[in-house]
Amino acid sequence: NAGVTQTPKFQVLKTGQSMTLQCAQDMNHNSMYWYRQDPGMGLRLIYYSASEGTTDKGEVPNGYNVSRLNKREFSLRLESAAPSQTSVYFCASSGELQGEQYFGPGTRLTVT
Amino acid sequence: KQEVTQIPAALSVPEGENLVLNCSFTDSAIYNLQWFRQDPGKGLTSLLLIQSSQREQTSGRLNASLDKSSGRSTLYIAASQPGDSATYLCAVISSWGKLQFGAGTQVVVTP
Repeated sequence: NAGVTQTPKFQVLKTGQSMTLQCAQDMNHNSMYWYRQDPGMGLRLIYYSASEGTTDKGEVPNGYNVSRLNKREFSLRLESAAPSQTSVYFCASSGELQGEQYFGPGTRLTVT
Repeated sequence: KQEVTQIPAALSVPEGENLVLNCSFTDSAIYNLQWFRQDPGKGLTSLLLIQSSQREQTSGRLNASLDKSSGRSTLYIAASQPGDSATYLCAVISSWGKLQFGAGTQVVVTP
């Protein structure tokens, strides 16, 4: 039982490049989330998916897109990376929308 | 807009002392409140979830209380150990599932 897994663990991009961050959970959770963590700003919600087939914007969605591929997987895409997107990205899941959230280990992204 | 504050920002205690970490929030219309631990360079580990109808929740040496009317939660860690050194984050959960985080309290337990 791996919980929430994220790939890759580290990534360096040049400005303008694109990439997709992958997230999967094996807890049969309905809801999944993407956060970014920045020094001095704390953790902020980018997008969330209340259930398979639905996605909604969080606090800081600009520059990102998401796909809820199935119940297990929720990906985050940066179409044209910018230095302001340098951050640590966390995926989380919960059984229900208001329930306890479980976090993955994070992806450390640097955009130069 | 919900604001979550954690005081103090940093705390250093000798091993064996009890830890008291505070979390306050401005909007009492919360659904749940969750406490996390984060080790340097790592992800967040869930410690306790307190539902809005509960006053406290316990797990081993950890006890968290919730007073919605005053907008406060307190995490108590009994008999601290060096392995408790980490950053502790509280987060309030709104009705649609959004976690609003505090900035965290960095704890160092010295042997």
